[in-house]
Amino acid sequence: KAGVTQTPRYLIKTRGQQVTLSCSPISGHRSVSWYQQTPGQGLQFLFEYFSETQRNKGNFPGRFSGRQFSNSRSEMNVSTLELGDSALYLCASSPLSGQGTEAFFGQGTRLTVV
Amino acid sequence: EDQVTQSPEALRLQEGESSSLNCSYTVSGLRGLFWYRQDPGKGPEFLFTLYSAGEEKEKERLKATLTKKESFLHITAPKPEDSATYLCAVQTSGSARQLTFGSGTQLTVLP
Repeated sequence: KAGVTQTPRYLIKTRGQQVTLSCSPISGHRSVSWYQQTPGQGLQFLFEYFSETQRNKGNFPGRFSGRQFSNSRSEMNVSTLELGDSALYLCASSPLSGQGTEAFFGQGTRLTVV
Repeated sequence: EDQVTQSPEALRLQEGESSSLNCSYTVSGLRGLFWYRQDPGKGPEFLFTLYSAGEEKEKERLKATLTKKESFLHITAPKPEDSATYLCAVQTSGSARQLTFGSGTQLTVLP
């Protein structure tokens, strides 16, 4: 069974640009969550989607947005990039929404903003 | 506010030297506690889920336990390939699928 697939693996962008990251969850999984990982802040929750609806959102500015498609694939977008947005962006999929079920992570997209 | 604290930040062990990693948490309504392993440049790899105090789970050289205030990840006779960062995360009532992570313990096992 294929795991969570994130594309691209690496990105270099300039301040002020926008970027779109993609995540394909494990087949049959309908919940997709996004996290930002930095050396200083660790892993921080961005948002969760289930059945194309945002279920929960973390404490990030409105420049960070996402969506989920009918096939459960998800994208996240960051507009007006800042240097501080440089991070590893991780996508996790779960078979169900709600609580108490495991989340399986992809390999991440390494975003560098210059 | 939910808080998860892991200790120690870093741990160096000789191959075969058993030890434990700690994850203490302060949350309102724990729904699940998760352990992950993360290798450099990769995404976290799921290890265990614990739901209630007294629960224990094992996988190869790893054993996770849970009390009402903390969880331990016991590593028995570790090997160099066990070197990684171990992350603890909690899921709480009302937070949907959101995981709150600790800062991790970086484990190095020397041959």
